[in-house]
Amino acid sequence: DAMVIQNPRYQVTQFGKPVTLSCSQTLNHNVMYWYQQKSSQAPKLLFHYYDKDFNNEADTPDNFQSRRPNTSFCFLDIRSPGLGDAAMYLCATRRTTGRTEAFFGQGTRLTVV
Amino acid sequence: GQNIDQPTEMTATEGAIVQINCTYQTSGFNGLFWYQQHAGEAPTFLSYNVLDGLEEKGRFSSFLSRSKGYSYLLLKELQMKDSASYLCAVRENTDKLIFGTGTRLQVFP
Repeated sequence: DAMVIQNPRYQVTQFGKPVTLSCSQTLNHNVMYWYQQKSSQAPKLLFHYYDKDFNNEADTPDNFQSRRPNTSFCFLDIRSPGLGDAAMYLCATRRTTGRTEAFFGQGTRLTVV
Repeated sequence: GQNIDQPTEMTATEGAIVQINCTYQTSGFNGLFWYQQHAGEAPTFLSYNVLDGLEEKGRFSSFLSRSKGYSYLLLKELQMKDSASYLCAVRENTDKLIFGTGTRLQVFP
């Protein structure tokens, strides 16, 4: 059973049209991450939540916002997508106690036209 | 600042052993992870090191030296399905999980 679910798997949006990507988890993990991954590159951390505490990376563009209304759900909002924002967006979760790895969703591949 | 470096590409032959290195300089250290990622798929967890030494898990082993800021992933008895990207990731004290540049491994028959 999928534990970290991202919807949709594929998203096509128009240049400048706001788009929201969603991530849900059944693991009750308190840390959630959003990564952007472009072709042949490593995942780049955009931001992460520790419970409701939001942590933005210094180089994450203002165009990217996030919401976490509860433990299970996290959203990535791209306010005005540009062609350079086309990428795979990965959500991951992790619990903070013990030696645990991050669990990844299948990702959402965003195309901007 | 953060710096996690890996070789960009490696090639190896089926049945052989390959070692993928990772060097890091990060703000705090709270563990190092290795992930495998096939093209178009999400990363999957391979191994975790937080103390110095070797962790073995079947065909895969991972080594860590915190004083040297160095880790490696060792893959034995290579199979064609091991062709993938291998990502080193460091967890900082702030719970940030930062990925290295990734190594694309190609296994040939």
